[in-house]
Amino acid sequence: AQTVTQSQPEMSVQEAETVTLSCTYDTSESDYYLFWYKQPPSRQMILVIRQEAYKQQNATENRFSVNFQKAAKSFSLKISDSQLGDAAMYFCAYLLQGGSEKLVFGKGMKLTVNP
Amino acid sequence: SQTIHQWPATLVQPVGSPLSLECTVEGTSNPNLYWYRQAAGRGLQLLFYSVGIGQISSEVPQNLSASRPQDRQFILSSKKLLLSDSGFYLCAWSVIRLAGTSGELFFGEGSRLTVL
Repeated sequence: AQTVTQSQPEMSVQEAETVTLSCTYDTSESDYYLFWYKQPPSRQMILVIRQEAYKQQNATENRFSVNFQKAAKSFSLKISDSQLGDAAMYFCAYLLQGGSEKLVFGKGMKLTVNP
Repeated sequence: SQTIHQWPATLVQPVGSPLSLECTVEGTSNPNLYWYRQAAGRGLQLLFYSVGIGQISSEVPQNLSASRPQDRQFILSSKKLLLSDSGFYLCAWSVIRLAGTSGELFFGEGSRLTVL
C-alpha cells in the first residue's frame, strides 16, 4: 500500500525567508501524482501545487516550488519569501494515476510564520 | 463556478445518538465524492468515496456509513455514535479523471463533531 510520510510535525520561518517542507512516499508504481495542500486556520483545504511523476521538471507556482526526486521518493515543498498568510497546516498527498480515486495524505505539518 | 457546501459546521452529540452530516456540490455533474476525517497528529483519513449514485466504497471498518442519494449529495451517517467518532470531518469532490487530468480535490469547510 502507498504511504506518505511527513516527518516534521512543526516548523517555523521568519517572514520573507525561505522554508522547505519535506515529504517522502512509498510506492511501487511509476505513474502517479503528488500534491501539496494547505489548510489555513479557517480550515478550508486548498491545493498549493501538483507534480506529475512522469515529468522531470519540478513544478512551480509563484513563490511555491517543489523538489521532486523520483528515485528517492522525495517530494519537498519550498516556500520563498514567506508571508504571514502562509501560516497553515501543509499536507503532502499521493494519487495513483489510472488507479482508484483515492488520495493518500501524510499527517501534515504546521508552519508558523514569524513577523 | 463550482462550490461545495457542508453542514452542520459544528455538532455536539451524546454517545449513542445518531449522526447525519450532509455535503452538496454545485456547478458540476457526476463528481467523485469523499468523506475524510481529520484527527490531530493523524492527518486525513479517507472514510468513504463514491464515483456515482449509490456507489460507495468504504475504506475503514467503523461505526459510520455513507450514502449518495443524488448525484451531487453525499451523506455521512451513524446510528449510534461512539466517543471515538469525535473529530473534524471533511467532504471533498473531484472531477472524473480523464487522461491528462490530475484528480485535484476540492474541500468543504468541514464539520466539527464532538461526542460526549
